Amino acid sequence: SQTIHQWPATLVQPVGSPLSLECTVEGTSNPNLYWYRQAAGRGLQLLFYSVGIGQISSEVPQNLSASRPQDRQFILSSKKLLLSDSGFYLCAWSVRRGALPSSYNEQFFGPGTRLTVL
Amino acid sequence: SQQGEEDPQALSIQEGENATMNCSYKTSINNLQWYRQNSGRGLVHLILIRSNEREKHSGRLRVTLDTSKKSSSLLITASRAADSASYFCATAIPKSRRALTFGSGTRLQVQP
Repeated sequence: SQTIHQWPATLVQPVGSPLSLECTVEGTSNPNLYWYRQAAGRGLQLLFYSVGIGQISSEVPQNLSASRPQDRQFILSSKKLLLSDSGFYLCAWSVRRGALPSSYNEQFFGPGTRLTVL
Repeated sequence: SQQGEEDPQALSIQEGENATMNCSYKTSINNLQWYRQNSGRGLVHLILIRSNEREKHSGRLRVTLDTSKKSSSLLITASRAADSASYFCATAIPKSRRALTFGSGTRLQVQP
């Protein structure tokens, strides 16, 4: 069965420090991968998505970047954190085209990383 | 801006009662999904309804879709304390490999 891991679960970082959040998926190949951010009491905002190794699309200009060094690994980074980067970061995956239609649109989410920038 | 907006923002009911949450969206869609999020956790897919469907059932869940009004509703029948969570509707962002845009969610509290 497929599983998705995120770490760390929580993180407290000072303003101006770097960031690296990691997401890995097991049990599937060639997934689409996504990074979302959730502000307190709000819905999710798409940050990045990736359809393959080294292929990153950004939805919102910001202080963050993403990379996909391996098929099932997705990394969210920042060189210098801002206070506004605080939030709950969620990684998700979905199957590629050609998979079962019933699961084609569904996204599977990791447990999330709660980032607090002080 | 977010595609979907749910209402109410918060809902408190007693166990055994039905809970109804509504979602409105702005653009045309191929399908609409509902997700559930327990506090501080990831989201879990509940149900998907296609644009050519008007109603769909899954266990105690009933989803309706009105494309003319660009709205959907999620009904949880005979609610349980374990149903307490936040519920979000989501639609696909065009040309983004099925990435989703979410509403702000409804926080449901079911009192035992």
